[in-house]
Amino acid sequence: ETGVTQTPRHLVMGMTNKKSLKCEQHLGHNAMYWYKQSAKKPLELMFVYNFKEQTENNSVPSRFSPECPNSSHLFLHLHTLQPEDSALYLCASSQDPGGGNTEAFFGQGTRLTVV
Amino acid sequence: GIQVEQSPPDLILQEGANSTLRCNFSDSVNNLQWFHQNPWGQLINLFYIPSGTKQNGRLSATTVATERYSLLYISSSQTTDPGVYFCAVELNTNAGKSTFGDGTTLTVKP
Repeated sequence: ETGVTQTPRHLVMGMTNKKSLKCEQHLGHNAMYWYKQSAKKPLELMFVYNFKEQTENNSVPSRFSPECPNSSHLFLHLHTLQPEDSALYLCASSQDPGGGNTEAFFGQGTRLTVV
Repeated sequence: GIQVEQSPPDLILQEGANSTLRCNFSDSVNNLQWFHQNPWGQLINLFYIPSGTKQNGRLSATTVATERYSLLYISSSQTTDPGVYFCAVELNTNAGKSTFGDGTTLTVKP
């Protein structure tokens, strides 16, 4: 079992659909992150959760709605997406985001296609 | 915000060759990581190296924080090495929030 697990691995959705991405970490970390990786672009940080509290929203459109019920689980709820939202969505976790051990570990990603 | 520049953008190596990848950053950083993204998209941790030198098998990395750069050395490249190598840095003033470079895409020819 990998340290950070994402489901589903692939997702195709229409612009009127509602879907959710799930991330679970088994590393005992306190911080979790969502990143977006579009084709030909570097990874972009979307959201940061520290001890279940959102500490960063990097100007992400409201059609992306994160949820962190506890330090081990992170969701990204999707609704009325646009084709340009098609990308690889990566979840990560780290032990201590407050300046201590911030080594990040990533899940396998969800490849999202919006049609 | 911080600028992270990686070079070269693309690298083609003959199997068995050695190479050096570079990461320059524009501000003082708290932490720096090197990742390998395999062809399936998985980001694999290579090094967590805010300063100093580390080695792991055929790979080693050196970060000179005062001069704002890090180097990743690949020796005896193999056909399992292809993918994109990313450098990610975290500002002293922005703990827990990493900025990624554009990556170096590595191809290894047998």
